Amino acid sequence: NAGVTQTPKFRILKIGQSMTLQCTQDMNHNYMYWYRQDPGMGLKLIYYSVGAGITDKGEVPNGYNVSRSTTEDFPLRLELAAPSQTSVYFCASSYDRVGGYTFGSGTRLTVV
Amino acid sequence: GENVEQHPSTLSVQEGDSAVIKCTYSDSASNYFPWYKQELGKRPQLIIDIRSNVGEKKDQRIAVTLNKTAKHFSLHITETQPEDSAVYFCAASRKNTGFQKLVFGTGTRLLVSP
Repeated sequence: NAGVTQTPKFRILKIGQSMTLQCTQDMNHNYMYWYRQDPGMGLKLIYYSVGAGITDKGEVPNGYNVSRSTTEDFPLRLELAAPSQTSVYFCASSYDRVGGYTFGSGTRLTVV
Repeated sequence: GENVEQHPSTLSVQEGDSAVIKCTYSDSASNYFPWYKQELGKRPQLIIDIRSNVGEKKDQRIAVTLNKTAKHFSLHITETQPEDSAVYFCAASRKNTGFQKLVFGTGTRLLVSP
């Protein structure tokens, strides 16, 4: 049982480049989330999903897109990278509507 | 929407002392309050949580208290140890129509000195 797995762990992008952050979980959790964590700040919700085929925006969705074709996978897409997207990105999942999250190990993204 | 404020931003204690971190929330309908510990360079991990029908919950050296009237909740760590050094995040959420999203505080960096 690997929990929540994120790849890559580190990435440097140039302005305007695109990339996909991968997230997969093997706990059969319906609920999945993407957060970003800026230095000295808390976690801000980017997008979330309540099940395969269903996604919705969080607090800071601009510049990102997601999809949820399977229960296990919830990739986050950056289409035109900007320096403001330099951050640490965490994927998380939860079993039910009221409960704690299991986080992935994070992706440290730098846009230069 | 929900807003969570957390204090202090930094807390330094001596080993063996107690540490208290406080959070306030804005949405009176919030009903779930977890605490996460994040060690340097690692993922946040759930350490304790409390629901709105309970005023206090303990787990060994850590406890969380909730005051619904005042809309604040606190994390208490007793007999602190160097391995308690980390950033601690509080969060709050309420159940919307079928879904609940956590809103996080900005974190408290706890440093426990031997």
